[in-house]
Amino acid sequence: DQQVKQNSPSLSVQEGRISILNCDYTNSMFDYFLWYKKYPAEGPTFLISISSIKDKNEDGRFTVFLNKSAKHLSLHIVPSQPGDSAVYFCAASASNTGKLIFGQGTTLQVKP
Amino acid sequence: NAGVTQTPKFRVLKTGQSMTLLCAQDMNHEYMYWYRQDPGMGLRLIHYSVGEGTTAKGEVPDGYNVSRLKKQNFLLGLESAAPSQTSVYFCASSPEGYEQYFGPGTRLTVT
Repeated sequence: DQQVKQNSPSLSVQEGRISILNCDYTNSMFDYFLWYKKYPAEGPTFLISISSIKDKNEDGRFTVFLNKSAKHLSLHIVPSQPGDSAVYFCAASASNTGKLIFGQGTTLQVKP
Repeated sequence: NAGVTQTPKFRVLKTGQSMTLLCAQDMNHEYMYWYRQDPGMGLRLIHYSVGEGTTAKGEVPDGYNVSRLKKQNFLLGLESAAPSQTSVYFCASSPEGYEQYFGPGTRLTVT
């Protein structure tokens, strides 16, 4: 049972345009959500997070939106840059469990 | 400050052999984790630890054992390797169990 799902395995956008990566979850106990970025042959690195008490969190070109009623979150990257080309994982946590559940990942390609 | 390091980076095993993967962190984090990454499967949690001397099972613990004798180290053991354990293994640490810091990974092939 996949509790965190990223239904788009890949996404291709033009440099300068907006990239929107989506993530759905099923467990209503999740209260903290994170996005990680992963380059080939490297470990994932933390990108941005959001608590369930918020519906939006922004950090520079990256914004995460949370829709609790739909159990859906999205990551917006604007403007997209070629260096953003990577695999993006969303992850979710229920408080006090100390662990994250990851989605399958979406490969983003930003074309110059 | 090296962050999270993993040893070895690559390893090839034959079916039935055993090995230990070492993870070390120098950030004084309480939480440590072992994941495996397979194509199309994302990162799946094998075992984790919420402090020195503690371990707990994750989503896919079968065939693996772990130990956390020292706060800075988290060892992952394969007692009898199987081809299904061919994967990339990532270790991570976290101060509070939310934001996690990952190592560079170990690529393991079992033939």
